[in-house]
Amino acid sequence: DAGVTQSPTHLIKTRGQQVTLRCSPISGHKSVSWYQQVLGQGPQFIFQYYEKEERGRGNFPDRFSARQFPNYSSELNVNALLLGDSALYLCASSFRGDTEAFFGQGTRLTVV
Amino acid sequence: DAKTTQPTSMDCAEGRAANLPCNHSTISGNEYVYWYRQIHSQGPQYIIHGLKNNETNEMASLIITEDRKSSTLILPHATLRDTAVYYCIVREAGTALIFGKGTTLSVSS
Repeated sequence: DAGVTQSPTHLIKTRGQQVTLRCSPISGHKSVSWYQQVLGQGPQFIFQYYEKEERGRGNFPDRFSARQFPNYSSELNVNALLLGDSALYLCASSFRGDTEAFFGQGTRLTVV
Repeated sequence: DAKTTQPTSMDCAEGRAANLPCNHSTISGNEYVYWYRQIHSQGPQYIIHGLKNNETNEMASLIITEDRKSSTLILPHATLRDTAVYYCIVREAGTALIFGKGTTLSVSS
């Protein structure tokens, strides 16, 4: 079975640009969460979606937004990129949101 | 903020058991203890979770103290491939995983 897939794997953007990251959950999973991991730190929670509705939001500015589609895939959008947004962005899926979550390999975003 | 305290680093000899402690003294009755690990530059990998009882799966065992204020993750026969950062997370069902800094486990031959 395919695990959580994220695209692209690597991305380089310029300050001020916008970026969209994509995530396909494990088949049958209805909940998707997004995390940001900067070098040397543990992942930080950004958003959680279940059945296309936002169920939780971490302490991130409004430049960060996300959505979940009817097929349960998800996109994370970041506007007006800053150098500090450079990080590994991780997507995790779970069956209901209250069960164990499985992570993708992440998208490495570099802002120059 | 993370609700757990873990040692920054630990060493283990290959083939020996690795026992990773975690303190969660403020855990509430409906919070689970989860363990994940992250090998360099990869996404975190789910290991095991539990509420009150000890749990075992093909990867590890989780021992939770009776008062639930601490737990230990046991890798029974550590290999070089178990070298990773191990995160202990306390989580109420349906809420986000809040990661701390974890324990860096180094397994050497």
